[in-house]
Amino acid sequence: GNSVTQMEGPVTLSEEAFLTINCTYTATGYPSLFWYVQYPGEGLQLLLKATKADDKGSNKGFEATYRKETTSFHLEKGSVQVSDSAVYFCALTLSGSARQLTFGSGTQLTVLP
Amino acid sequence: GAVVSQHPSRVICKSGTSVKIECRSLDFQATTMFWYRQFPKQSLMLMATSNEGSKATYEQGVEKDKFLINHASLTLSTLTVTSAHPEDSSFYICSARGSGGADDTQYFGPGTRLTVL
Repeated sequence: GNSVTQMEGPVTLSEEAFLTINCTYTATGYPSLFWYVQYPGEGLQLLLKATKADDKGSNKGFEATYRKETTSFHLEKGSVQVSDSAVYFCALTLSGSARQLTFGSGTQLTVLP
Repeated sequence: GAVVSQHPSRVICKSGTSVKIECRSLDFQATTMFWYRQFPKQSLMLMATSNEGSKATYEQGVEKDKFLINHASLTLSTLTVTSAHPEDSSFYICSARGSGGADDTQYFGPGTRLTVL
């Protein structure tokens, strides 16, 4: 079956530190990969996505590269801000009529000033 | 673009009452909408997939008579929690996927916090 494994949290960093949140996946086909962010008390917002191998998704200073050889889609940011504190979800979807999202467990990030 | 709204954002009700939650795609047509439930500090659990004009497909363990889903138009899906009980208290989130092209992206609503007393 399809699954997404995310780095266990919580992660606490100081402002301007480098961020990596690991994400690996198992899929029966060729998935599209996503990172979503959830701020406290809110729904999920799409942060970035990649639809094929070697694609790099980027947004708001965050980046993730679709690595087929390692089945990974690690999220990185060079310099985090306090406002980046949130829960980050890695997810995949496969082509097909349903295209349901399979989520990782989420990683809580707290950035301290 | 790709905005999804939910209403209400927060609802408190007495045990035994029914609650309806609306999910709207504001600037695109959504042939497919999804309903999720999220417990504190946990990931999202898919409850059902709803396609416009047809019956929803429920995930295993989700009671379809308890959680009624209607997707009557390309911009609106509703989730009705019937005879709600305290254990139904949760954060309910919908998402919508566009009807055009090969875009796999789901766009999420802001969520509805349901508290059943």
